[in-house]
Order: sequence, then structure tokens, then C-alpha cells
Amino acid sequence: DSGVTQTPKHLITATGQRVTLRCSPRSGDLSVYWYQQSLDQGLQFLIQYYNGEERAKGNILERFSAQQFPDLHSELNLSSLELGDSALYFCASSDPIAGGSTEATDTQYFGPGTRLTVL
Amino acid sequence: GDSVTQMEGPVTLSEEAFLTINCTYTATGYPSLFWYVQYPGEGLQLLLKATKADDKGSNKGFEATYRKETTSFHLEKGSVQVSDSAVYFCALSAASSASKIIFGSGTRLSIRP
Repeated sequence: DSGVTQTPKHLITATGQRVTLRCSPRSGDLSVYWYQQSLDQGLQFLIQYYNGEERAKGNILERFSAQQFPDLHSELNLSSLELGDSALYFCASSDPIAGGSTEATDTQYFGPGTRLTVL
Repeated sequence: GDSVTQMEGPVTLSEEAFLTINCTYTATGYPSLFWYVQYPGEGLQLLLKATKADDKGSNKGFEATYRKETTSFHLEKGSVQVSDSAVYFCALSAASSASKIIFGSGTRLSIRP
């Protein structure tokens, strides 16, 4: 158990709908990352937040958005869903570098994932 | 850009066989290197890591050595067990962008009793 929690575990919805995936990082971790795992694209980095601020963006579609709240949990919002959005969505967290830095360490701990099925 | 290439699977071995899963990388600077494992129906677990040249990461009998000269980070285990059946991902965290991990395509390992 990595200490990262994700809900829900499974989500089935229809095309055109909107869903929200939730992630709680490990205690003490300030950074949250979202990844998408699909059969054709493999594991792809979507976006990173650090202490409430967006830090880095990867291959995230405009239909997708995320945020990190003051209690450090994060939500990934997926809208206008398409069949191709069916995938496993992982959240990961990492702890801040010691010594007052505002950067995260490079070791990330992954949650169990949310399996999204779009019908 | 930065990338990771690992051997294609599936790899099928008998119990107690020796395991090698090859991984090579392309990156500028000195990335950190990782092996993650994904057991059936579960998320990714960090298996081991190495942060500089000639470092050896090890965990649960698995080992990998950071080889700068060959840009490789091959995963090895001397005697595999059925419980090692999983998908293994080689990955790097680029020095230029530690915020994201770049994963290889994964290697599915199946161990026969």
C-alpha cells in the first residue's frame, strides 16, 4: 500500500458525459501527478500540481482539467468523454525536497488507479 | 527528447530461472532511473531506483545497475517465483524535468510453476 488513495475504483459512463476522479496523496506529500494508462498509448503523464499550483503539463487534452485543493487532495475532471478516453487513470505523489526547497523529489508513489470505461 | 526502450514481452520463464529484462534510455544530463512493477489488477509499485552512474538499486531479490556508458538499466533476478508474474516498467525522471516520469512500454512477465 503506497498511501495514495484514489476514488472511485471503477467508473462506467457514456460518451459526452463528464466525470471527476479523486486522489489523496500520501501524508506529507505536496506534489500530485496524474497519468493515463491505455493500451495504445502506454503510460502518459498528464499534469502535476505542487501545493495547490500547477507545475507541469504533459499530454493533457483541453477537455481535461485538474486542480489541487488546500487539503492537498486533487481532482481530475474529464468532460465531453469519448470512447478513446477509456483507460486507467493513476495519481501519484511525491514529497518535497528537504531544506526549504519548493521542488518535489523525483520518486513518485502511485495510487491503485481508477478504471474509466466510456460506452 | 527523453525516452525509455525496454524489451518487448511477454517473457515466460520457469520458476527458479534467471531473469533479465533489458532497458535502455535516452536523456540529456543525469536522469534518475526506476523500475516499477504492476501486479494484475493493481497500481504501479516502485521496485527500485538508482540516481547516479554505477549505482545499484535492489529490492526483493531484483537488481539493476545504472550504466552511463551504455545508457542501460537492466533488471535482473537470480531465481524468479510465480509471484513475480507482473508487468515491469523501466522509467526515468529527467534532470531537466523531474516533475514527470517517462515510462517504457512495459514487459509482461509470466512465471510457470
